[in-house]
Amino acid sequence: SQTIHQWPATLVQPVGSPLSLECTVEGTSNPNLYWYRQAAGRGLQLLFYSVGIGQISSEVPQNLSASRPQDRQFILSSKKLLLSDSGFYLCAWSRLGITGELFFGEGSRLTVL
Amino acid sequence: GQQVMQIPQYQHVQEGEDFTTYCNSSTTLSNIQWYKQRPGGHPVFLIQLVKSGEVKKQKRLTFQFGEAKKNSSLHITATQTTDVGTYFCAVHGSSNTGKLIFGQGTTLQVKP
Repeated sequence: SQTIHQWPATLVQPVGSPLSLECTVEGTSNPNLYWYRQAAGRGLQLLFYSVGIGQISSEVPQNLSASRPQDRQFILSSKKLLLSDSGFYLCAWSRLGITGELFFGEGSRLTVL
Repeated sequence: GQQVMQIPQYQHVQEGEDFTTYCNSSTTLSNIQWYKQRPGGHPVFLIQLVKSGEVKKQKRLTFQFGEAKKNSSLHITATQTTDVGTYFCAVHGSSNTGKLIFGQGTTLQVKP
C-alpha cells in the first residue's frame, strides 16, 4: 500500500532563518507531488506541484522554493523565513496523469517568530 | 486559472440538524472532488463526481453534481458531533497535470 511521510511535524523558526520540509512517498512510482499551505482558519493554497524529477511548477510568487531530487521525494525550502510564512504545510501525492484523488501527509505546522 | 467558490464559510448547527455546503464554478468542470479535514488534521478524500447530474450517497452524506457541471453540493442529514470539521471541494486546473485547486472550505460546528 502507498504511504506518505512528511516531517518535521512542528517547528518554530526565527525570522530570517532557513527552512527545509521534506516529504516522501512509498509504494508508488511517478506520482504527482504537491505542496499546499493553509493559514490558520483558511483554505488550501497550492504552492508547488511536480509531475516528475526536476519538474517543478510554482503557483504563487513567494519566498519559498521546491525541489524534487528523487521520484518520490519532495522538498520545500526557504533561505530566509518571513513572518507571513507561518502556516500549516501539507504535502500530497496523486497518481500521474489521472484525475484522481490526492493523498495528504500529516502536515508540518510552522511558526515563524 | 481555474477557481471555485465555496459557501458558506462557516456553519453552526444543532446536533440532528441538516447541513449543506455549495461549490460554484464559472466554467464547466470535468469533475469535482470533496474532502474533509478534521480539526488539527489533514484533508481526507471523500468522493469524486464526474457525470452531469450525478448523485452519490455515503451514509448520511449526499453529494450532487449539477446538470451543467458548474456546481456541486454536499448535504449531511441529521448531523452528529463526528461531522465537525472543514469540508472542501476541489477541481482540476485547466492543464492535464493533476493540479487540484481547492475551494475555501466550509467549517462545520455541531452543538451537542
